[in-house]
Amino acid sequence: DAGVIQSPRHEVTEMGQEVTLRCKPISGHDYLFWYRQTMMRGLELLIYFNNNVPIDDSGMPEDRFSAKMPNASFSTLKIQPSEPRDSAVYFCASGWGGKYTFGSGTRLTVV
Amino acid sequence: DAKTTQPNSMESNEEEPVHLPCNHSTISGTDYIHWYRQLPSQGPEYVIHGLTSNVNNRMASLAIAEDRKSSTLILHRATLRDAAVYYCILTNAGKSTFGDGTTLTVKP
Repeated sequence: DAGVIQSPRHEVTEMGQEVTLRCKPISGHDYLFWYRQTMMRGLELLIYFNNNVPIDDSGMPEDRFSAKMPNASFSTLKIQPSEPRDSAVYFCASGWGGKYTFGSGTRLTVV
Repeated sequence: DAKTTQPNSMESNEEEPVHLPCNHSTISGTDYIHWYRQLPSQGPEYVIHGLTSNVNNRMASLAIAEDRKSSTLILHRATLRDAAVYYCILTNAGKSTFGDGTTLTVKP
């Protein structure tokens, strides 16, 4: 079991550019979550999916953020256009039955 | 969303038991109590979860108050590798909200 795989591990981009974060959940897990972590705000739930369907996106900060899950083995979180305040560590997690496994995260820096 | 309250920090000596408290006075009947921990530069790691009854696994024990308004994570023998931020969260139909957690320091 390779766990939840996120890519890239680090991303540095210029303000205004589009950023796409990728996540491969653990096979068989029916829930997928996207979180963002900063020192100021801690861990924030952005959106989560159940069986590839978005259930709650109330944590998505604004329309610049979008997430998709085209199939059970892949999800993306896109920021367009990116801003310096989007700098954070973004985590993807998957799970079932209440037990969730987190990926190693993508550290995003927007300059 | 129901909230949890945890102490900001706690200290323990190595090989001694640690009791990490969590208050969740607004918990609903269908909320599960989860504990995760986060080591430096890593994603959160699942520790244990329960609904009403006390739970044990290889990592820890979870003691849940009878009224479910509080719970305690018990590490039976703390090691230096247990130093982390411990989060107590409530989950309902998949949705969960992380608080600030408790930073556990383990002294040799």
